[in-house]
Amino acid sequence: EAGVAQSPRYKIIEKRQSVAFWCNPISGHATLYWYQQILGQGPKLLIQFQNNGVVDDSQLPKDRFSAERLKGVDSTLKIQPAKLEDSAVYLCASSLGRLNSYEQYFGPGTRLTVT
Amino acid sequence: AQSVTQLGSHVSVSEGALVLLRCNYSSSVPPYLFWYVQYPNQGLQLLLKYTSAATLVKGINGFEAEFKKSETSFHLTKPSAHMSDAAEYFCAVSGRAGNMLTFGGGTRLMVKP
Repeated sequence: EAGVAQSPRYKIIEKRQSVAFWCNPISGHATLYWYQQILGQGPKLLIQFQNNGVVDDSQLPKDRFSAERLKGVDSTLKIQPAKLEDSAVYLCASSLGRLNSYEQYFGPGTRLTVT
Repeated sequence: AQSVTQLGSHVSVSEGALVLLRCNYSSSVPPYLFWYVQYPNQGLQLLLKYTSAATLVKGINGFEAEFKKSETSFHLTKPSAHMSDAAEYFCAVSGRAGNMLTFGGGTRLMVKP
């Protein structure tokens, strides 16, 4: 079974530029998550999708971050404009999304450096 | 509201020694608890999970954890450390079926030969 795929793996941009990350979840997984992991910290949930609907985006900085999951499969996370403090690893995870389905499967992440 | 505290951002043990990584949680509802491991430049991998069944949970790679409600703890242990155990370990809590995980700050485990 293929795991969660993310691209690119690494990205370096200057502040005020825009950037987009892509995630392809495990086939059949209804729930998709984006996390931000700043160096030395645990991952922080940014947004959760159930199919193509948003379940929770309370920690997403909506003035600069946006995410979509068209057709309930792949997802993109965009930052525009980027700030220095956005430097982090962005992790995508997916789960079956059914009741009592506990496990989230994580992708390798995209490491963003903002200079 | 939920939170997780991992005591000790860095833990160093000798190969063959006991591994003990501490995790305390706060949750307003019965929690589901998880331990994840992260190797350099990789995503997180689930080690084990507590989902209100047995309080002693066994996971992969010889790790286990015990849920203690009275102490609000979920410490991770392994009887004998291997060099390959060197990684970052994260404790996480969820209030419902594994959704909306809240992670602790992580503990970096170093294993000395």
